[in-house]
Amino acid sequence: DAKTTQPTSMDCAEGRAANLPCNHSTISGNEYVYWYRQIHSQGPQYIIHGLKNNETNEMASLIITEDRKSSTLILPHATLRDTAVYYCIVSGGSNYKLTFGKGTLLTVNP
Amino acid sequence: DAMVIQNPRYQVTQFGKPVTLSCSQTLNHNVMYWYQQKSSQAPKLLFHYYDKDFNNEADTPDNFQSRRPNTSFCFLDIRSPGLGDAAMYLCATSRGGRLRNYGYTFGSGTRLTVV
Repeated sequence: DAKTTQPTSMDCAEGRAANLPCNHSTISGNEYVYWYRQIHSQGPQYIIHGLKNNETNEMASLIITEDRKSSTLILPHATLRDTAVYYCIVSGGSNYKLTFGKGTLLTVNP
Repeated sequence: DAMVIQNPRYQVTQFGKPVTLSCSQTLNHNVMYWYQQKSSQAPKLLFHYYDKDFNNEADTPDNFQSRRPNTSFCFLDIRSPGLGDAAMYLCATSRGGRLRNYGYTFGSGTRLTVV
């Protein structure tokens, strides 16, 4: 069962902000939203996660809507090295497993 | 740096010949996972160990087995690899918990080729 919906692909110009949306309308109260990315031929890399408050770290910001049914990952100044597949995953509570959906292929263009 | 290490990075095996992939971690995480990722697809969970307890996904073929001799190491055994088992195999770890999920740390993966 797909618990998240993401666009298949997005483009972004180098140096601009990349805003990646994710819908998770069936999220339950104790589930977190996780974002991972996977650069070609590498293992997935953790980016950020949140429950209901917006979060920021050195890599990105995560904006979660008040009803928690959607979120946006923001890469503030995208570089060519940010080209990757970005996965939005909902998990938590009694479920500690990460189930990957199809993700969004973000291409950062010069 | 604490990390998850997978060896080898690339593995070639013959059709039907048993092969073992290894994963080690220095994070002292109690949960270890094995994912299979075929070309252009998302990673798919095969099974995981929560401490010493083995948890198989319902659709994981019997051809795939796993061993975890201690906290640091976990092995993926493919008893009789077929051409369809060619994929990237990813190992991941986490600090498991019922109420909070700390996220996973992944290794770089082992790319398996079956000839």
